[in-house]
Amino acid sequence: EIVMTQSPATLSVSPGERATLSCRAGQSISNNLAWYQQRPGQPPRLLIHGASTRATGITARFSGSGSGTEFTLTISSLQSEDVGIYYCQQYNNWRPSFGQGTKVEL
Amino acid sequence: EVQLVESGGVLVRRGGSLRLSCAASGFTFSSYSMNWVRQAPGKGLEWISYITSGSTTIYYADSVKGRFTVSRDNAKNLLYLQLNSLRAEDTAMYFCARDASYFSAAYYFDYWGRGTLVTVSS
Repeated sequence: EIVMTQSPATLSVSPGERATLSCRAGQSISNNLAWYQQRPGQPPRLLIHGASTRATGITARFSGSGSGTEFTLTISSLQSEDVGIYYCQQYNNWRPSFGQGTKVEL
Repeated sequence: EVQLVESGGVLVRRGGSLRLSCAASGFTFSSYSMNWVRQAPGKGLEWISYITSGSTTIYYADSVKGRFTVSRDNAKNLLYLQLNSLRAEDTAMYFCARDASYFSAAYYFDYWGRGTLVTVSS
């Protein structure tokens, strides 16, 4: 199993400021990386796939970058509805694995 | 609109069994691979099972292999997960999730249900 490590565990950001979340893979996964948002009491929602491609209907405030083992999710101007936990997930093979999550709070 | 609705989660004793269902609508169910992902209370996400559109390929996480069985009924647009020999550590919200690729394998998930809660008592 490929181990995914996210940092920081918790990120406190003021409204309108930029949030930067990191994800590291235990081995190279090319660009086979997805990001999900999970708001309180909700199921996860796909934000980004292919490390940098926004999913259908996702605002351009969310952007992803990286390849190999280092990845970043950026929220350009944090809004109240962005509060939640963000997970990265590798899909380099048939055994997908998630990071432990980064909690984003205002 | 794509909808996935899980059901079947209950309080069950350690060592017991139950079957979860996921009802799909709003898309051609028979054309997509499907997955089960679980989340223990207050914890992160854990992928546990994958099944192709025609049930020809099935994968399990090591944590459930030999105890859980995934299946599907394309005529009824239903996905199932049979849970046997349940342990306390199986306590979790169980989500069904659609594989993002049409008639292929993507191994990431573009639509999720709201989940059904399984609680295993000791």
